Order: sequence, then structure tokens, then C-alpha cells
Amino acid sequence: ETGVTQTPRHLVMGMTNKKSLKCEQHLGHNAMYWYKQSAKKPLELMFVYSLEERVENNSVPSRFSPECPNSSHLFLHLHTLQPEDSALYLCASSQEGADPFNEQFFGPGTRLTVL
Amino acid sequence: GQNIDQPTEMTATEGAIVQINCTYQTSGFNGLFWYQQHAGEAPTFLSYNVLDGLEEKGRFSSFLSRSKGYSYLLLKELQMKDSASYLCAVVDSNYQLIWGAGTKLIIKP
Repeated sequence: ETGVTQTPRHLVMGMTNKKSLKCEQHLGHNAMYWYKQSAKKPLELMFVYSLEERVENNSVPSRFSPECPNSSHLFLHLHTLQPEDSALYLCASSQEGADPFNEQFFGPGTRLTVL
Repeated sequence: GQNIDQPTEMTATEGAIVQINCTYQTSGFNGLFWYQQHAGEAPTFLSYNVLDGLEEKGRFSSFLSRSKGYSYLLLKELQMKDSASYLCAVVDSNYQLIWGAGTKLIIKP
């Protein structure tokens, strides 16, 4: 595997379900990100982990719970979601401190539908 | 507040040239990215500008004017595979990426 991978690619869940999204990066990076992408809207940064510690949490509802067990893996645990949470969830990684910039590498995303 | 503006959708003809504009108002500036995103796929890096001027990379070029808060992505010799969304993103003073909503480019034969 190369780059950033995400599983599952598609997920349909009811509002009472609990599910998890998985992201894995094979680039040796030290930072990982979760984004939400809705149609015709800018990418919304949800969480940032740097060196396995959460450094950003942009007022995301508690029904989204991230986990970063090591620098290569990132999870997004989902529970009691709402239909408006339906979107493409993108994972990205980067090397913080890289000069001159820390380009973000994205995974293919998980298309989430909440019924 | 911070804001990135780019057109929602553009249409161009195969073989032609198209310019996608991006204007920004951010708290500080530490560079501007352009990403390409095909439908159902990951965004992929196209270019990064931090100094004023034009950066050329094959058929794609990116221009930046910091004084005007303006950038454009220029695509030459358009091919059908260039049909995609093009995302503009600015690195602000806190080194956070501020994203535009993207421009969907439709290429017609």
C-alpha cells in the first residue's frame, strides 16, 4: 500500500448505529487530519493530530470521536449521527515542519450516508 | 472572517485554455495551494505559491499577487481528463489551511 488509504469507501448507517472510519498513511508523516466535504462547500477541518496528540478540534459535535493510536493510523468513531452528517469524510497527512511547506496528502475518502 | 472565493463552475472546450480565479481575505498569508479533485477521488496537489509571480509546471501554471489577494490557475491544451474540481487553499498566519469551495471544471469536446 502506498500513500493514504481509507476504509470503508462507502458507508450507510442509521442514526442509532455506531461505526468507525479508518485511515492509514504509509508516508512516514507526523500529522494527520480529518475533513468533512459537503457538496459545494469548502473542506471543513474537523480534527488535527500532530505527533499523535490532538492539536485541533474545530467545534465538532461529540457524536464524532477521533482516535490516533500511532502516527500511521487515525480513526473517526461515529455514533448517533444525524442525516446532515452525510458527506465525504477525507483523511489527510503531512510532515509538519517540512520546508518550505507541509503539503497535505489525501486519502480517497469515505462516502457516508446517514438514514 | 476568513474567506476564499472561486467560481462554482466553469466550462471550457478541449484543446483550449482556461483560467480559474481565486481571491482571498485571510488573517495573514503563508502560501497558497491549488489541488485537483476528480469526482469520487482524493484531492491531489497541483501547485504552491508563496511569492508573487507565475509558476509554470507543464500544462498548468499558477499565479499569485499577494497585494491583491488574488491567484489564478491556468490550464492549457485542455484534455477531457482535466474535468475535475479545482480547490484553492490559503495558509493563514497560524499555518492553518483555509479552503475555497472549489471550482468544478467541465471540458466539452
